[in-house]
This record gives sequence, C-alpha cells and structure tokens, in this order.
Amino acid sequence: GQNIDQPTEMTATEGAIVQINCTYQTSGFNGLFWYQQHAGEAPTFLSYNVLDGLEEKGRFSSFLSRSKGYSYLLLKELQMKDSASYLCAVRANTNAGKSTFGDGTTLTVKP
Amino acid sequence: GAVVSQHPSRVICKSGTSVKIECRSLDFQATTMFWYRQFPKQSLMLMATSNEGSKATYEQGVEKDKFLINHASLTLSTLTVTSAHPEDSSFYICSARQGGRANQPQHFGDGTRLSIL
Repeated sequence: GQNIDQPTEMTATEGAIVQINCTYQTSGFNGLFWYQQHAGEAPTFLSYNVLDGLEEKGRFSSFLSRSKGYSYLLLKELQMKDSASYLCAVRANTNAGKSTFGDGTTLTVKP
Repeated sequence: GAVVSQHPSRVICKSGTSVKIECRSLDFQATTMFWYRQFPKQSLMLMATSNEGSKATYEQGVEKDKFLINHASLTLSTLTVTSAHPEDSSFYICSARQGGRANQPQHFGDGTRLSIL
C-alpha cells in the first residue's frame, strides 16, 4: 500500500517563498505528481518527478529524494492567486499505475 | 491540450433517482480513466479505475452495483449513481490519462457536484 503525509495548512506572504513537503511510503514507486486545486474546482497538474533532484518550471519547482521518500514543492514570488490546496500524489508501478493522493496542503497567501 | 470535459457540473435531484455523469477526453485518447469522490476539505478518494473495453476495477468499500462505470470508448467514460440517497451527495471528479507511460499526468474534469434531497 501507500501512505502519504503532507502538512494540513500553511500561510505565507505575497512575494515570499514557500516550501510544501510531502513524505511517502510505497511498495512500488513510479513517480510523484503535484497538483493544485482551488476551492470548488478540480485539480490541475503542476509537476512530475521520477528521478532524484529538482525540476523547475517557472515560479514552481519540485524536488524528489527516492531514498528518503520525500518531495517538496517550492513556490516563489507568491501571488494571491496561489492560495489553493496542493496535492501530492504517488504513482504505483502496479495496479494499473493508479496514483494515491495525499490529503492536500491548504496554502493561504496574505498581502 | 489535454482537456477533459465532465458533464453535468451540478445535479440536484430527489432520493431514489439514478444520475449519470459523463467524462470525455476532448483532444487525446484516454486509455485509463479514474473516478474520484471528494468531501469538503478532504482529499480525493479513488472510487474506481476503468480501462477502455474492460470492466472497471473498484476500490475496496465501493459498491459496484451502486456506482456503475462504463468506459465504452477511448474518449468516454460514464459513472451512474443508481438509486441515489442523501449520503451519496458529494463532489465527483473524473480524470483521464493518455497512454501508459509513467510520466503521463492525470487530467481532471471540472467535477460534478451532486446533491440528493
């Protein structure tokens, strides 16, 4: 099975940098995804990591350490519109490659 | 690209009604589609995984006869909530994935908010 942990809530200031952590335990790892979900809307894809290291995509970066079962999502130059829930999802290499989602981290960006 | 359309966006109906939700991948072929349920301020709960032309694989605790899933083509999957009751009220979200490569993300529909009176 899979177990995913991420903080429930975080608060940050507009223009700042915030790091959202995700730890996981899985019996078969085939990649880690980060999604953004605004209240009342469906999730949207942000990033994918399968190898150790940092993937940068504009203001968002995602890091993975497979040996530690650890990932983080880094958001730079925070904007008010970044207030949302951020979901960490781990894809298995079995069971049709389905992803298990964490409970999400609700980020609130304040002026 | 990678647009998933889910319809309807909102349903309000009486207890005992059956409700059908459609999920379409508009610009890609979805070999796998997933159906989730989400309660307020909670994470996505996977209900079932469906592959085109085969029976859906349901998660433990999800009633197959209650939540009927059909994946008739590479661009369409449907979820039918049969004889819905107030406890079935929730936000239902579908997602579709193109191909079997590990780096293919899931693309989500906009969700269906189901309210059973």
